Amino acid sequence: EAGVAQSPRYKIIEKRQSVAFWCNPISGHATLYWYQQILGQGPKLLIQFQNNGVVDDSQLPKDRFSAERLKGVDSTLKIQPAKLEDSAVYLCASSSRQETQYFGPGTRLLVL
Amino acid sequence: GQSLEQPSEVTAVEGAIVQINCTYQTSGFYGLSWYQQHDGGAPTFLSYNALDGLEETGRFSSFLSRSDSYGYLLLQELQMKDSASYFCAVPNRGGGFKTIFGAGTRLFVKA
Repeated sequence: EAGVAQSPRYKIIEKRQSVAFWCNPISGHATLYWYQQILGQGPKLLIQFQNNGVVDDSQLPKDRFSAERLKGVDSTLKIQPAKLEDSAVYLCASSSRQETQYFGPGTRLLVL
Repeated sequence: GQSLEQPSEVTAVEGAIVQINCTYQTSGFYGLSWYQQHDGGAPTFLSYNALDGLEETGRFSSFLSRSDSYGYLLLQELQMKDSASYFCAVPNRGGGFKTIFGAGTRLFVKA
């Protein structure tokens, strides 16, 4: 069974630029999550989808972050414009049960 | 508010047993999950406790006491490859569907 795929793996941008991340979840998993993980901290949920509907986006900075999950499969997370404090690892996860989540390798973002 | 607390670092020697504690304060508690994350890697699921007691999976066991809002991960016969960060997490299905992760415990296994 293929795992969660993410791209790109690394991205370096300058502040005020925009960036997009892509995620392909495990086949059949209805729930997809985007997390932000800052070095030395636990993952923080940004947005959670159930199929193509948003279940929770209470911690998503909506003035600069947006996410979509078209057709209930792949998802993209966008940051526009990026700030220095957005430097982090962006993790995508999927699950059929919330207590057992499968994570992708993450995208390491550096904002200069 | 909702929070999980776990020690920031633990050091143990190869072959030993180590226990990583997690105390939580959440609403709508359903159970406690544990994840392992190696440096530069993604979190991987280890275990989930919905009921009080001990769940054993090979060298790893996880314990939950709902009355004490407390759980722990027990790692036996430590190996060098167990050096990683360990996160407890609470899937919260009350008032929202966020999973809240602790800050993580960094385990160093020495030879």
